[in-house]
Amino acid sequence: DGGITQSPKYLFRKEGQNVTLSCEQNLNHDAMYWYRQDPGQGLRLIYYSQIVNDFQKGDIAEGYSVSREKKESFPLTVTSAQKNPTAFYLCASRKGQGTEKLFFGSGTQLSVL
Amino acid sequence: AQSVTQLDSQVPVFEEAPVELRCNYSSSVSVYLFWYVQYPNQGLQLLLKYLSGSTLVKGINGFEAEFNKSQTSFHLRKPSVHISDTAEYFCAVIRNSGNTPLVFGKGTRLSVIA
Repeated sequence: DGGITQSPKYLFRKEGQNVTLSCEQNLNHDAMYWYRQDPGQGLRLIYYSQIVNDFQKGDIAEGYSVSREKKESFPLTVTSAQKNPTAFYLCASRKGQGTEKLFFGSGTQLSVL
Repeated sequence: AQSVTQLDSQVPVFEEAPVELRCNYSSSVSVYLFWYVQYPNQGLQLLLKYLSGSTLVKGINGFEAEFNKSQTSFHLRKPSVHISDTAEYFCAVIRNSGNTPLVFGKGTRLSVIA
């Protein structure tokens, strides 16, 4: 079945550590997105990519980095510069047009030790 | 830029009662509108979307929404809720030209009480 897979489901970060969240899709979608979800805050856009080897900052990109070396993969690195990383992270993908729905992964819960 | 306001952060309702979840948007250009649902510890699923045409849109699980351009609203309704409808609901907007990301509201937590 086609879908979008995030791993791990739960992740713990120590102070000063960088961690990477995986997002893989086999839907042949061009666009991929990373959202951060905090209680009562809704979904806030971190980074997005519309084609391979290109990505744009979203509303809260500071302390995060991404790469898009392959169409299927869009990993997110939470760097030590992100001082409040505890949140639920959601990856999504979509065919190119805005009318198409987003497909979401099941999320990664990141916590700080 | 587009923005979305979900007017209620939490909505408790008894089982089999009707419910309305309110959503207002702001945009200087024409937009497409979406409602997504999120069950605990999961990603979001599309309930319905408005692109053009009839202002009453029907979605999955018996939900429907009405686009009101003059009031810039896109409220979600269901005539009779079930326990299984307990979830968080997000309204989202995107401009109808270009290829920009969705902008989400802060969500409304619907709690259905037996």
